[in-house]
Amino acid sequence: DGGITQSPKYLFRKEGQNVTLSCEQNLNHDAMYWYRQDPGQGLRLIYYSQIVNDFQKGDIAEGYSVSREKKESFPLTVTSAQKNPTAFYLCASSVSGTFTGELFFGEGSRLTVL
Amino acid sequence: AQKVTQAQTEISVVEKEDVTLDCVYETRDTTYYLFWYKQPPSGELVFLIRRNSFDEQNEISGRYSWNFQKSTSSFNFTITASQVVDSAVYFCALTPREAGNMLTFGGGTRLMVKP
Repeated sequence: DGGITQSPKYLFRKEGQNVTLSCEQNLNHDAMYWYRQDPGQGLRLIYYSQIVNDFQKGDIAEGYSVSREKKESFPLTVTSAQKNPTAFYLCASSVSGTFTGELFFGEGSRLTVL
Repeated sequence: AQKVTQAQTEISVVEKEDVTLDCVYETRDTTYYLFWYKQPPSGELVFLIRRNSFDEQNEISGRYSWNFQKSTSSFNFTITASQVVDSAVYFCALTPREAGNMLTFGGGTRLMVKP
């Protein structure tokens, strides 16, 4: 079945460590996104990529980095510079070039910093 | 800049009750799109509906209906005869036409439907 796979589902990290969250899609979508979800704050955009080898900062990119070397993959690294990294992270994809507003989401990764 | 406000953070109803989730938005754009997404306990958001700013017709899909009122900048979502499976977090979102798929989300409303 086509969809978006995020891993790991749960992740614990010590302060000062970098951690990478995986996002893979087999929907053949050009665009991919990373959102952060905090209670009561909805979803906030971290980074997005409209095409391979290109990505743009979203509203809260500080302390995060991404890469887009393959169409199917859009990993997110949470660096030690992110001051409050404990959150639920959602990856999404959409058909680029055609506006639909319909994003397809993975089941998320919950990161806890100890 | 856009803003979406969902004032109800949590709603609890008993099965078969009707429930309305409120959404108020702010935008300076004349052409924009509004959305509702559902987030079940599994975590992924699921697209429910998209409306454009020129179409104020209400829409009904089974037990779901949406009321778009441009005059009050609101896009409310009603579930009729709620069921336990409707329990989820619901997000309202907005994007101006030129922003493409860059959605601004509201804070979400957690709906709990008790049997």
